Amino acid sequence: GESVGLHLPTLSVQEGDNSIINCAYSNSASDYFIWYKQESGKGPQFIIDIRSNMDKRQGQRVTVLLNKTVKHLSLQIAATQPGDSAVYFCAENEGYSTLTFGKGTMLLVSP
Amino acid sequence: DVKVTQSSRYLVKRTGEKVFLECVQDMDHENMFWYRQDPGLGLRLIYFSYDVKMKEKGDIPEGYSVSREKKERFSLILESASTNQTSMYLCASSSIAGGRNEQFFGPGTRLTVL
Repeated sequence: GESVGLHLPTLSVQEGDNSIINCAYSNSASDYFIWYKQESGKGPQFIIDIRSNMDKRQGQRVTVLLNKTVKHLSLQIAATQPGDSAVYFCAENEGYSTLTFGKGTMLLVSP
Repeated sequence: DVKVTQSSRYLVKRTGEKVFLECVQDMDHENMFWYRQDPGLGLRLIYFSYDVKMKEKGDIPEGYSVSREKKERFSLILESASTNQTSMYLCASSSIAGGRNEQFFGPGTRLTVL
């Protein structure tokens, strides 16, 4: 069957490189943001979140940066591994409304 | 760990059939969601529910209905399946407890309508 990855922007990196995946969001009132990872044939999995009162948050090998001035979110993955190959989505939320998802970026990691 | 399960991973149905997709979550979440995911279109919200017996239309409710008779279970119903409903269907749940609105997803059901 068709992959969710078709028609998506793709980032290709070598194993060990750092990866940066970008997302532009649309609602200036959004106050909560999430990055999800979706591997082929699986549902999206939570990676990291950030609130609008922060501009940076770090997890294990991942960092999310938020620039509210230009409505831009980025996900940095340090020392990218083949297991990081997946589609990555950002999502935004205002208050406790429903999440609005980006279209996603496919990350391909070569050994 | 939160677990969201969906009744089938793959489903093949014929045009005009009534189709039930079931979703169960085990974390007592009050919110549940149904999305479809298509190449180039991303995740689109079909229906969601904030409580038992409550339902709200999402962005693309046409051709679908839902049922939430118990807190842990949210069903998506295709009253008369059509070929344009061939898609990946994803269920999710969330809770506002703790002040976060993170949604937890099931593994998805890939539905093919012939």
